[in-house]
Amino acid sequence: QSALTQPASVSGSPGQSITISCTGTSSDVGAYNFVSWYQQHPGKAPKLMIYDVSNRPSEVSNRFSGSKSGNTASLTISGLQAEDEADYYCTSYTSSSTRVFGTGTKVTVL
Amino acid sequence: QVQLQESGPGLVRPSETLSLTCTLSGGSISSYYWSWIRQPPGKGLEWIGYIYYSRNTNYNPSLKSRVTISVDTSKNHFSLKLSSVTAADTAVYYCARDRDGWGQFDDWGQGTQVTVSS
Repeated sequence: QSALTQPASVSGSPGQSITISCTGTSSDVGAYNFVSWYQQHPGKAPKLMIYDVSNRPSEVSNRFSGSKSGNTASLTISGLQAEDEADYYCTSYTSSSTRVFGTGTKVTVL
Repeated sequence: QVQLQESGPGLVRPSETLSLTCTLSGGSISSYYWSWIRQPPGKGLEWIGYIYYSRNTNYNPSLKSRVTISVDTSKNHFSLKLSSVTAADTAVYYCARDRDGWGQFDDWGQGTQVTVSS
């Protein structure tokens, strides 16, 4: 199985909105609404930010939102803050009942 | 919220078998899917495989021939064995809970560094 495709890096100024894409195939992202997003700060374990494409765990800020169209899912961070600077990964359930991660995106707050 | 803790050797020799255990506290290992995930230095996350408490497993096709995941419900832990390791298996290894069986990980261990070197 191939990794889902994410841009290597995305940047924005404080207060701006940015969007990270996650492109898969009709056997994973396009087939199921089981796409999740993770934030990872250096040296730390990943943290679940979005599940089921667009749902947020209760402890996650509502500045984070998710969506999906066809084989591409997206994570939007609005009102960008310095603490949002981190690596972000998407993942999807697949038609083989396996799980596949995205290639990862480094978010830089300018 | 459950807590997960990985344990095992930090150094494994090439061609040998990597063995790690993930111990759960604050909850039961029953009724959930449990995964191993790894991250080579400076690289992205890679899903290794999962086990359900009933011992149903599924593995990443690229690692399937070398991976075994098992569970011990009496000890509330699950384990990873990766055979015939090479330097490419050097990574931080994480265990994680799959919140609903659809590959969405809501609880993670802190991770353990495993280096493959002679």
